[in-house]
Amino acid sequence: ETGVTQTPRHLVMGMTNKKSLKCEQHLGHNAMYWYKQSAKKPLELMFVYSLEERVENNSVPSRFSPECPNSSHLFLHLHTLQPEDSALYLCASSQESVSGSSYNEQFFGPGTRLTVL
Amino acid sequence: AQSVSQHNHHVILSEAASLELGCNYSYGGTVNLFWYVQYPGQHLQLLLKYFSGDPLVKGIKGFEAEFIKSKFSFNLRKPSVQWSDTAEYFCAVNAENYGQNFVFGPGTRLSVLP
Repeated sequence: ETGVTQTPRHLVMGMTNKKSLKCEQHLGHNAMYWYKQSAKKPLELMFVYSLEERVENNSVPSRFSPECPNSSHLFLHLHTLQPEDSALYLCASSQESVSGSSYNEQFFGPGTRLTVL
Repeated sequence: AQSVSQHNHHVILSEAASLELGCNYSYGGTVNLFWYVQYPGQHLQLLLKYFSGDPLVKGIKGFEAEFIKSKFSFNLRKPSVQWSDTAEYFCAVNAENYGQNFVFGPGTRLSVLP
């Protein structure tokens, strides 16, 4: 596998379910991201991990819980979601500069299409 | 806070027409600028990027973009579009000193008629 992979590609869940989205990057990058892409809205950055530490959390509801066990893997744990959480969830990775002040382009996975019933 | 605007929601062109998609951002400091493309059913992928140097940047598939600092703009251009350019195009900004916070524009859907 090359690039950024995401599983599952499609997920349908009820509001009381618990599920997890998985992302894996095979590029040797040191930063990983979760985005939410909803229809007719800009990509929304949810979480950023740099060197396995969470560095951004853009006011995301606690029903979304990220986990980054190592620099190649990123999870998004989902619990008691709402129908408005239905969207395409994208994972991305990039290589952070040594100084940490600028970032190279992001490489995106194919996304997980989530539907909450 | 940073924000990115894209002038057009949906652009429809005939093949061989010239393309210009607008992108403006709001941040006064040093920025890194990107255009991404999302073809139907495919991943977001990088078209081109600007970090420093020549403000006219050339990317893949004949695309180019010009950074005009005084206008806070980074417009995407292509002299002659093809049907295969039908896709959604996203402008993105990463401002130095904003860390890993990439901000994307809302996207412009381009439909090229054969």
